[in-house]
Amino acid sequence: SQKIEQNSEALNIQEGKTATLTCNYTNYSPAYLQWYRQDPGRGPVFLLLIRENEKEKRKERLKVTFDTTLKQSLFHITASQPADSATYLCAPTPWSNTDKLIFGTGTRLQVFP
Amino acid sequence: NAGVTQTPKFQVLKTGQSMTLQCAQDMNHNSMYWYRQDPGMGLRLIYYSASEGTTDKGEVPNGYNVSRLNKREFSLRLESAAPSQTSVYFCASSAPGSGSYEQYFGPGTRLTVT
Repeated sequence: SQKIEQNSEALNIQEGKTATLTCNYTNYSPAYLQWYRQDPGRGPVFLLLIRENEKEKRKERLKVTFDTTLKQSLFHITASQPADSATYLCAPTPWSNTDKLIFGTGTRLQVFP
Repeated sequence: NAGVTQTPKFQVLKTGQSMTLQCAQDMNHNSMYWYRQDPGMGLRLIYYSASEGTTDKGEVPNGYNVSRLNKREFSLRLESAAPSQTSVYFCASSAPGSGSYEQYFGPGTRLTVT
């Protein structure tokens, strides 16, 4: 069955450092992969989408990579700030049904001053 | 634009009671979704609707029914609530037909079944 793995342990980093979050998937080939941010008590908010034929995508301080050989996506936040503290969800979407997202359980990021 | 709105924000039910969660979007999106989110389980798709008049089951549909009332509104009904349905419910919408795959989420409904 399709499986998505994100580090369930919280990632704690110091302000100004680069945070790197990992998303691994097995048993399917995504057409694209999305990353979302979720703050406590709120719904997820879309951040970035990367397609199968793209290796890397950037948006301001965010960078996403997509390695279809390793079946892995890395999500980087450079020059991290305490306001970046949140849970980050990845959602690889299979070719079989691009209407539906399958979400990972998320990784909680804590940026401390 | 309000985006995606959900009502109610909080609800407590007794086992066996029924209720309907309401969702509306003002972005003219064709696709709408209902998820539940539980600790350690992530977001799981309950039902989705690719267009007005169509619905399809997701990963965890048992115990739920949905209605796509029109393009804007997509409701989720619990006919006989069970404690296992205690969760946070999110509605979302998207426009994949136009090449835009990101989903927009509502603020959630926190449901407790005792």
